[in-house]
Amino acid sequence: GQNIDQPTEMTATEGAIVQINCTYQTSGFNGLFWYQQHAGEAPTFLSYNVLDGLEEKGRFSSFLSRSKGYSYLLLKELQMKDSASYLCASMDSNYQLIWGAGTKLIIKP
Amino acid sequence: GAVVSQHPSWVICKSGTSVKIECRSLDFQATTMFWYRQFPKQSLMLMATSNEGSKATYEQGVEKDKFLINHASLTLSTLTVTSAHPEDSSFYICSASPMGSELNNEQFFGPGTRLTVL
Repeated sequence: GQNIDQPTEMTATEGAIVQINCTYQTSGFNGLFWYQQHAGEAPTFLSYNVLDGLEEKGRFSSFLSRSKGYSYLLLKELQMKDSASYLCASMDSNYQLIWGAGTKLIIKP
Repeated sequence: GAVVSQHPSWVICKSGTSVKIECRSLDFQATTMFWYRQFPKQSLMLMATSNEGSKATYEQGVEKDKFLINHASLTLSTLTVTSAHPEDSSFYICSASPMGSELNNEQFFGPGTRLTVL
């Protein structure tokens, strides 16, 4: 079956670094996406990885290991506005996104 | 660029009525649009994949006669919830893949439509 696992909730301190992990099992693989979703809003795109390695984009970085079926999203210099749910999604062989349930990130001052 | 709009943003309707939700790609053409439903504190659930000029492909468990999808042009897809019931109350989100986006397979999301059925 197809499955995406990510922690339900994480807490971090403003200014710190947090890493949100995601493991996936999908029928085929066409890339791993990370989205940010604030409460009551639609997801917004953060990153896309299809090759192994780290992709850095400002304060956010995303890592992929295809052999391990593993990805993480790294957020640096956390700000209060980063409080949101972070959704991991794997694109399968039919180019459909298989979504994780999301990780609710709580930032404390 | 790559903006997707949805209308309405929110709607409240009586049980038994039908509600139409529009999804538009404003600055790009999309051969494929996706409709999702998200219940509180749950992940997005793909309802159907809509391809311009052809019938939508529905996910298992989604009633095609209840959730009518029309993708009449490369910039517009509509979802009609027919004979809505309170259990249909949810956040409906569409996304669109730009033509020629095969390199990154990115989907751009609309802002979502919150449906409340009384």
